[in-house]
Amino acid sequence: GQSLEQPSEVTAVEGAIVQINCTYQTSGFYGLSWYQQHDGGAPTFLSYNALDGLEETGRFSSFLSRSDSYGYLLLQELQMKDSASYFCAVKNTGGFKTIFGAGTRLFVKA
Amino acid sequence: NAGVMQNPRHLVRRRGQEARLRCSPMKGHSHVYWYRQLPEEGLKFMVYLQKENIIDESGMPKERFSAEFPKEGPSILRIQQVVRGDSAAYFCASQSEGVNTGELFFGEGSRLTVL
Repeated sequence: GQSLEQPSEVTAVEGAIVQINCTYQTSGFYGLSWYQQHDGGAPTFLSYNALDGLEETGRFSSFLSRSDSYGYLLLQELQMKDSASYFCAVKNTGGFKTIFGAGTRLFVKA
Repeated sequence: NAGVMQNPRHLVRRRGQEARLRCSPMKGHSHVYWYRQLPEEGLKFMVYLQKENIIDESGMPKERFSAEFPKEGPSILRIQQVVRGDSAAYFCASQSEGVNTGELFFGEGSRLTVL
């Protein structure tokens, strides 16, 4: 089967750095993605890692370790607008479907 | 270049009625996914389709639910004889063939309420 685990909630202050972890179990791993979703909105793509290492896109970075079946999303210089749910998602080689974790709700405080 | 279009955005049905949700993928995209989301929960995979083919429907309930993506027109998720437990947001996402970035483009969702 397939499963992804990530913390349900994280709280941080404006300007801080926060890391959201994701561990996964899947058959035939292809890549790990991260999505952001604001309340009532659509999920939007943030990043994708197919290989080990760190990918940086502005204030957001994503890391993958395939040997540890682990990844994280790093958000720097937090802003109030970053308050949202963040989902890790695994794309597998068995049909290439993408499976999502339950999401981490990030609260950014002033 | 229009994004993924879903309609209706909101749909109210009484128990036993049928719900039809439509999704037009981004131009040039031939892969469509349907996900279901309950409040405060994650996105649950339902079905993955390419034009005229169901690739993976392992997340679809065996009864009352069906999906199609015809050669012409939008993808349709059909729920027959709806029950209160079907109330949820249904998101469609599309992806172009051969793209290897893992990026799915989501529509704004269709929110189904069953009375």
